Amino acid sequence: QKEVEQNSGPLSVPEGAIASLNCTYSDRVSQSFFWYRQYSGKSPELIMSIYSNGDKEDGRFTAQLNKASQYVSLLIRDSQPSDSATYLCAVRGDSWGKLQFGAGTQVVVTP
Amino acid sequence: DGGITQSPKYLFRKEGQNVTLSCEQNLNHDAMYWYRQDPGQGLRLIYYSQIVNDFQKGDIAEGYSVSREKKESFPLTVTSAQKNPTAFYLCASSITVSGQLQETQYFGPGTRLLVL
Repeated sequence: QKEVEQNSGPLSVPEGAIASLNCTYSDRVSQSFFWYRQYSGKSPELIMSIYSNGDKEDGRFTAQLNKASQYVSLLIRDSQPSDSATYLCAVRGDSWGKLQFGAGTQVVVTP
Repeated sequence: DGGITQSPKYLFRKEGQNVTLSCEQNLNHDAMYWYRQDPGQGLRLIYYSQIVNDFQKGDIAEGYSVSREKKESFPLTVTSAQKNPTAFYLCASSITVSGQLQETQYFGPGTRLLVL
């Protein structure tokens, strides 16, 4: 069974600090990696995608991918109370497009 | 506005009853998906469809059925055979299915199903 693992949290982060979220995956042939943000009671919304080793930055978000170590991470800089949500890691292997989701990490940004 | 709509927002099912969840998209996406989310768990794939009149079982298809008669629509029926249907149901779509690493799935607002 292909697995995607995340620390469930909650991860408590002071306002203005950096939140660091990690995700590990078991399928070595995985090619595409996504981070979704999900507010309580709402549907997931895509915030980042990454396909190559290294860092990808988009505003306050940075995704980091290391295929050799089979992990992908998400950094949220200058964390704001509006960043309080559950962050889902999703991984696609070499198949048609099926995504495997982690259970999510809950982030709580405290003023 | 382009997007994915799901209805109803809340749905109540009685024992032994079949209920149908609606999913419509006007994004001209080829592929559509149904996921189930239980508290504290990730999304699990129920069914997916790559093209009209074709669909495939996902990881947890038992007790569910789907149809894809139109590109825009992918309704999910929760049958009486699904003994634990209480969950948050999410529909998603993507522009293509295979061979494109950068293909992204976008989600509708979800339907919360509760058993009376």
